[in-house]
Amino acid sequence: DIQMTQSPSSLSASVGDRVTITCRASHNIGSNLNWYQQKPGKAPNVLIYSASNLQSGVPSRFSGSGSGTDFTLAISILQPEDLGTYFCQQTYNTPYTFGQGTKVEIK
Amino acid sequence: QVQLVQSGAEVKKPGASVKFSCKASGYTFGDYYMHWVRQAPGQGLEWMGIINPSSGSTSYSQKFHGRVTMARDTSTSTVHMELSSLKSEDTATYYCAREPRNQVFFDYWGQGTLVTVSS
Repeated sequence: DIQMTQSPSSLSASVGDRVTITCRASHNIGSNLNWYQQKPGKAPNVLIYSASNLQSGVPSRFSGSGSGTDFTLAISILQPEDLGTYFCQQTYNTPYTFGQGTKVEIK
Repeated sequence: QVQLVQSGAEVKKPGASVKFSCKASGYTFGDYYMHWVRQAPGQGLEWMGIINPSSGSTSYSQKFHGRVTMARDTSTSTVHMELSSLKSEDTATYYCAREPRNQVFFDYWGQGTLVTVSS
């Protein structure tokens, strides 16, 4: 199975800050990488698919980059509603594995 | 609008089986693959498998092989999943999630079904 490792596991930032989360795959997965946001008690919601494509309806402050084994999710100007846990997911091959999550808190 | 509505919470004893349902609406049921993902309390996400609602073909994570069965009922636009030989480690929220055409990610999710396995 492909292992997905996210860092950091948690972060605390102020409204207006730029935030970056990284995800590393144990094998080359091309651009087959998605990012989800999950709020407490809710199902995940896709933000970015295929490494860098913004899902319809997602604010443009979210962006994704990377290919191969190293990927980044960036939030350009952190907003209060961005608190939650962020997961990366590889869909290069099954089982489609997820990172362990990055919990984002607002200072 | 697209909706995936899942069955209600369950409490099961170790060794029992549990059956989940996920009723789809707002789109052509057979045109989109459906996945099942679970999340143990306070933990990450774990992919369990996929079903093609049109053909009924399935693919399961090796971790659950022999314990999981996915099926679909096209007459009610519902996918089902059964998990057998339950253990306490199977306590989790189980989600169905739709895969859009031509892209592999999950664009719509059910609300989740909490299963608690306890003696």
